[in-house]
Amino acid sequence: DADVTQTPRNRITKTGKRIMLECSQTKGHDRMYWYRQDPGLGLRLIYYSFDVKDINKGEISDGYSVSRQAQAKFSLSLESAIPNQTALYFCATSEGAIAGHPYEQYFGPGTRLTVT
Amino acid sequence: AQSVTQLGSHVSVSEGALVLLRCNYSSSVPPYLFWYVQYPNQGLQLLLKYTSAATLVKGINGFEAEFKKSETSFHLTKPSAHMSDAAEYFCACGIQGAQKLVFGQGTRLTINP
Repeated sequence: DADVTQTPRNRITKTGKRIMLECSQTKGHDRMYWYRQDPGLGLRLIYYSFDVKDINKGEISDGYSVSRQAQAKFSLSLESAIPNQTALYFCATSEGAIAGHPYEQYFGPGTRLTVT
Repeated sequence: AQSVTQLGSHVSVSEGALVLLRCNYSSSVPPYLFWYVQYPNQGLQLLLKYTSAATLVKGINGFEAEFKKSETSFHLTKPSAHMSDAAEYFCACGIQGAQKLVFGQGTRLTINP
């Protein structure tokens, strides 16, 4: 079984709808991240969480919210979806910092979201 | 501010030719550095990492990268390209004291038969 799973893998929704993307991990990592990927723009960080009570905004958090339900679960919500939120969304986990350096992240397979 | 620059959003090489993907970082202290690969319709997979030990790092699928402090670079190479290497490649750095990795914009590698 995959260490980082995302559901759904594909989703088409309409403008104004609320949608939730879910991420689960079995790696036992404390740190979890949500990114979106757009062609030519690389990965952009939406939110990240270092533990259940520590949630932080990334570079593009407007229009998104998150919930860390447990160490293993981190959900991303779009309260009112708009077409420019059409993108590929990735969840990632990390064991944290090594000698003060942020360490490697492990990625889920992604969710392709289309907002019409 | 820390940053990562990948020179060339698209690189095209012939099968069997050398692959060279460039990555430069901006940091006053040597960071940890990572290369990831993303195959179509998949998530990012770690290729290799530099964590201040050996400057020449070997990864999976025949790739390697060399950390050069004087050039603030961490270029990814493979001596002989294979069709299966076609993918998008991301360089990332983790600077001491920072809370998260910084990713480059990605380089799409195309292999010509």
